[in-house]
Amino acid sequence: GNSVTQMEGPVTLSEEAFLTINCTYTATGYPSLFWYVQYPGEGLQLLLKATKADDKGSNKGFEATYRKETTSFHLEKGSVQVSDSAVYFCALSTSGSRLTFGEGTQLTVNP
Amino acid sequence: GAGVSQSPSNKVTEKGKDVELRCDPISGHTALYWYRQRLGQGLEFLIYFQGNSAPDKSGLPSDRFSAERTGESVSTLTIQRTQQEDSAVYLCASSLVGGRTPYEQYFGPGTRLTVT
Repeated sequence: GNSVTQMEGPVTLSEEAFLTINCTYTATGYPSLFWYVQYPGEGLQLLLKATKADDKGSNKGFEATYRKETTSFHLEKGSVQVSDSAVYFCALSTSGSRLTFGEGTQLTVNP
Repeated sequence: GAGVSQSPSNKVTEKGKDVELRCDPISGHTALYWYRQRLGQGLEFLIYFQGNSAPDKSGLPSDRFSAERTGESVSTLTIQRTQQEDSAVYLCASSLVGGRTPYEQYFGPGTRLTVT
């Protein structure tokens, strides 16, 4: 079956630090890959996505590249801000319907 | 425009009672999903509705759980004879269409269920 493994948190960084949150997956077929973000007190929002190998998703300074050879979709940002503090979820879909999520990584950015 | 809404936002119930959770999807979205998020864990898929097709119920954890959807609008998730392990945040999402193309799923704020 499908599964997603995320880097364990929580992660605490200083403002302007470089961020990497690791995500690897197991899937049948050719999955689409997603990063969702949940800001404090808000609903889950799509941050970025990639639908095929070597695609790079990007949004709000965040990037992730679909690596089929390593079955990975690591999230990166060159310079984090306090406002990036949130829980980040890696997810995949192989059927175009249900999403399979990782367990989430809590990020705290201190000023 | 209006996003996905869910009610109630919080629900505290006694073990053994039945509860109903409501989801109003974005107007025009044909696909609707229910997920469960236990404390400190990721989201678990529960059930998926797409248009007039039979729902995908494969994620429902037991026969105490059921869900209905009226046409392409409101959905209700019902949990009968609630147990403490049912305590979680129940999230609803909708999208334009399911199928082969993974259209973005828009999530509601969730219903936090606490079973005492």
